[in-house]
Amino acid sequence: AQSVTQLDSQVPVFEEAPVELRCNYSSSVSVYLFWYVQYPNQGLQLLLKYLSGSTLVKGINGFEAEFNKSQTSFHLRKPSVHISDTAEYFCAVSRYTNAGKSTFGDGTTLTVKP
Amino acid sequence: DSGVTQTPKHLITATGQRVTLRCSPRSGDLSVYWYQQSLDQGLQFLIQYYNGEERAKGNILERFSAQQFPDLHSELNLSSLELGDSALYFCASSVGRGMNTEAFFGQGTRLTVV
Repeated sequence: AQSVTQLDSQVPVFEEAPVELRCNYSSSVSVYLFWYVQYPNQGLQLLLKYLSGSTLVKGINGFEAEFNKSQTSFHLRKPSVHISDTAEYFCAVSRYTNAGKSTFGDGTTLTVKP
Repeated sequence: DSGVTQTPKHLITATGQRVTLRCSPRSGDLSVYWYQQSLDQGLQFLIQYYNGEERAKGNILERFSAQQFPDLHSELNLSSLELGDSALYFCASSVGRGMNTEAFFGQGTRLTVV
């Protein structure tokens, strides 16, 4: 079985500041990693995913994440956030190649202040 | 708009009742996934169907069942409802079942059991 821990439940930042949302995972087998964003009253949208290859993954909306196998982490970063980035962010892990059957973290609420 | 349609958007029902949630996947998508998002359990994968057949099962209660019809829409049936079943139920769809497919989420059905 695998599990996901999102280390911060809430992250408040000012507009144009950098942000890092932290995600650690545990698994006894190789896994695939995902970040999703959920805007208010919306479904989840895939931001980026790590399946194999380069450990630095670039996603939509200027986000990127780095897979660190030794630290079992997959932190999400953005160098300069906008008000519109205010949302809930979910880290997910799957031992299958199917992105649908994933284990999700509890979510991190990112609030960008003007 | 993800292209995944869920109906109804909101549902209020009494304990012990049975409800059916409906999901229409994106055109061309063969996989449908169901998720439950609640405050205490977070986001949990329930079940996946691929081209009419059950493909993967997650934390789905025996009181819950799902099916995917020949036209690829799916229904999630929840019976003997309890207060704890109150949650946001998401449906997602993808073209296939492997690593090259991205799951697109609907806006969810908010179920309130009173």
